[in-house]
Order: sequence, then structure tokens, then C-alpha cells
Amino acid sequence: EPEVTQTPSHQVTQMGQEVILRCVPISNHLYFYWYRQILGQKVEFLVSFYNNEISEKSEIFDDQFSVERPDGSNFTLKIRSTKLEDSAMYFCASTGRGAASTDTQYFGPGTRLTVL
Amino acid sequence: AQSVTQPDIHITVSEGASLELRCNYSYGATPYLFWYVQSPGQGLQLLLKYFSGDTLVQGIKGFEAEFKRSQSSFNLRKPSVHWSDAAEYFCAVVGVRFQKLVFGTGTRLLVSP
Repeated sequence: EPEVTQTPSHQVTQMGQEVILRCVPISNHLYFYWYRQILGQKVEFLVSFYNNEISEKSEIFDDQFSVERPDGSNFTLKIRSTKLEDSAMYFCASTGRGAASTDTQYFGPGTRLTVL
Repeated sequence: AQSVTQPDIHITVSEGASLELRCNYSYGATPYLFWYVQSPGQGLQLLLKYFSGDTLVQGIKGFEAEFKRSQSSFNLRKPSVHWSDAAEYFCAVVGVRFQKLVFGTGTRLLVSP
């Protein structure tokens, strides 16, 4: 069965450093998402991406964050200057169709980001 | 705005006993509702979903959920819990635009021998 993959599984970085989290969505999917889960808290939406542009973003997704689909397969989340509070599990998800569809959103296994 | 409430942070159930995890939602229209499970160190796996039609939906691993519009609830049930069901369970509702998911805070299920 097709699955969403994410690399790395765990990333440790120093505060102020840039990190890039990578995702490979399911190949025929068109809508891509990033969510994050701070330890002990709920999963929160960060951003959705369709047709090579951001469709929607949350308040969390400020200027320090960016997303890109650099080629036909990868979907990346970049944090320019990490803060301690960016420490979280970051999940990528994808779905075939978007608004008002009944498609399931498939999640990757997550990247645990630790900012020291 | 959409929101989801899971009132139970932790639940402990004996193996073989029945389980019910509560979920209440707030949404202006007919909601699309989901239950996901997260095992320790793992990602989110879809258990089941409700879009329309029969209000009792069956999912994987023997789980089912019932949509009750009058109570704004979508509770998850399983008749007999197995030790491998110990995990965190998230209820979610889909947003109006671009299908972003709004999650509840989760319920951690512990299974005692």
C-alpha cells in the first residue's frame, strides 16, 4: 500500500539554525499538509499546499516557516531560524483531492525536531 | 470555527472489556469526522471516518463509531479491548477549505491485564 514517508526521523539542531524537513507524499496525491504536535499536546495544522502554492496556513506558520515542492516527489518544510518552542513532532500528510472531497488524509510517521 | 473536544485525557480498560472514547465536535454544517490512532513513536493511522449515510461506521481493528447529530458526538467503541490497543486516540473534524484537519487533544488508552 502506498505510504507517506518522512526524513529524517529525528533531527537535533541548535537554536537559530535552519532545518529542512522532508516528505515524500503518495505519488498521485495533489494536496499536501504539514502538522505539528508539541509533546503532550494535540496535533495542530500548519499549512496546506496545492498547485505549487500555499492554500491555507495557520497562525503558527509565520515568516520563519516556508514550504516547497522542489521536484515532482518531495515536499519540504523549512524553518529558517529555529526556536526552542519549535521542538515538536512534525507530520506530513497528503490526499488526492481537497475541499469537499471524501478522500482520506494519509500521514507520514513524523520527524521529531529537537531544538537545543 | 470548527473544534473538537475529547473530555477524557486518560482511560484505563481491562483487557477484554469494552471501550468507549468520547468525542464532541462543533461545526456549522454536516461534519466530516475521523478517528486516528497513534501508537508510541508512530505516526497517525486512520481508524475510521464518517461523511454521510449510515451513522454507525465500522473501521479497522474492530473499532466502530456512531455519529449522533443531536448530541454533536462521534464516540469510538470497541466491544473487547486487546493489549495492543494501548495508544493515543485522536478525534478530528475536517475544515471547510482544503480539508485541513482539526484535532482534539487526544485520549490515552491504557490496557490493564
